[in-house]
Amino acid sequence: NAGVTQTPKFRILKIGQSMTLQCTQDMNHNYMYWYRQDPGMGLKLIYYSVGAGITDKGEVPNGYNVSRSTTEDFPLRLELAAPSQTSVYFCASSYDGAYSGNTIYFGEGSWLTVV
Amino acid sequence: AQTVTQSQPEMSVQEAETVTLSCTYDTSESDYYLFWYKQPPSRQMILVIRQEAYKQQNATENRFSVNFQKAAKSFSLKISDSQLGDAAMYFCAPPRYQFYFGTGTSLTVIP
Repeated sequence: NAGVTQTPKFRILKIGQSMTLQCTQDMNHNYMYWYRQDPGMGLKLIYYSVGAGITDKGEVPNGYNVSRSTTEDFPLRLELAAPSQTSVYFCASSYDGAYSGNTIYFGEGSWLTVV
Repeated sequence: AQTVTQSQPEMSVQEAETVTLSCTYDTSESDYYLFWYKQPPSRQMILVIRQEAYKQQNATENRFSVNFQKAAKSFSLKISDSQLGDAAMYFCAPPRYQFYFGTGTSLTVIP
């Protein structure tokens, strides 16, 4: 069972470069999320989507963009990378929102370093 | 904005002992769910336990149980008979439309 798959697992970027973190899920989940986790810290919600074509900002959206053209895919775009974006990024999905009691499933994380 | 507080950044427990991790939250809803998630060194997020607010009975999953105080908006996690594999970051997820998480409590289990 694939679940939530995100790529790449590791990436080093130079300041000012751009890149896309890919995320796909095979559970037919409506909700998808992107989080970042700085060392020793909690997870901060960057963007989320409640279905194809619908996205919304989370707590820390600046410097990122997302799109949701299909139910399965939810890529995260980093434009003009900055050292402050050095973090571990997690993609996640759930069938419905937290209010419904559904479990959220996470990918294995993508380690991004901006130098 | 997040409305959840985990006031214990770090906790430690002797193996086989019991430890309680605290979480307080804010909400204006009357029915909702609360969650505890565990993140071991592998970084994989794992659901530990889930509580539905309207249920009076505290949720239990094997050695994990909660002390849910709805009026006080408190949702603490009790780990009994602690094992080395329980060492992890523990995150409380408050009642929100999306999944938000607290700042986490790092649990160390001492052999």
